Amino acid sequence: ETGVTQTPRHLVMGMTNKKSLKCEQHLGHNAMYWYKQSAKKPLELMFVYNFKEQTENNSVPSRFSPECPNSSHLFLHLHTLQPEDSALYLCASSQDGPSSVGETQYFGPGTRLLVL
Amino acid sequence: QKEVEQDPGPLSVPEGAIVSLNCTYSNSAFQYFMWYRQYSRKGPELLMYTYSSGNKEDGRFTAQVDKSSKYISLFIRDSQPSDSATYLCAAKSSGDKLTFGTGTRLAVRP
Repeated sequence: ETGVTQTPRHLVMGMTNKKSLKCEQHLGHNAMYWYKQSAKKPLELMFVYNFKEQTENNSVPSRFSPECPNSSHLFLHLHTLQPEDSALYLCASSQDGPSSVGETQYFGPGTRLLVL
Repeated sequence: QKEVEQDPGPLSVPEGAIVSLNCTYSNSAFQYFMWYRQYSRKGPELLMYTYSSGNKEDGRFTAQVDKSSKYISLFIRDSQPSDSATYLCAAKSSGDKLTFGTGTRLAVRP
């Protein structure tokens, strides 16, 4: 496996379900990110982890709960989601965090989430 | 007002055409500018990276930044059907997060 991988690629869940999205980066990077991509909207940064520490939470509702056990793995735990949470959830990684000059992010393929 | 504005398209051009994709931004502190390409069912991939004003060329792609008018452009020469994708512009200032545009969907007709 190379780059940034995400599982599952597609997920359908009810509003009362609990599920988790997984991201793994094989690039030796120190920072990882969760983004939400909705139709006709800019990519929305949700969370940033740098050296396993959360450095940014962009006013994300508590029904989204991130976990970063090490600098290669990132999870997004989902519970009691709403239909408007249906979107493409993208994971990204970079060598250093957003404060690094010239930091470049590499994205995974995303998880397409549908909340019924 | 969005910090980075981008026409969502879609933009449809014949194969071989020169494509011009544009973004405007409002934050004068932005110094780093990027173009990402996103194919259907894939994540964005970095295409071009520019610091401050000026041009940068890479094969058929040229990125241009005009900080005086807060204008970012991506030119694609001799466009190919394989260039059909959504193109996202992004900008950041030193020490801050990336801010993305909404993306422009491009279709290159054979």
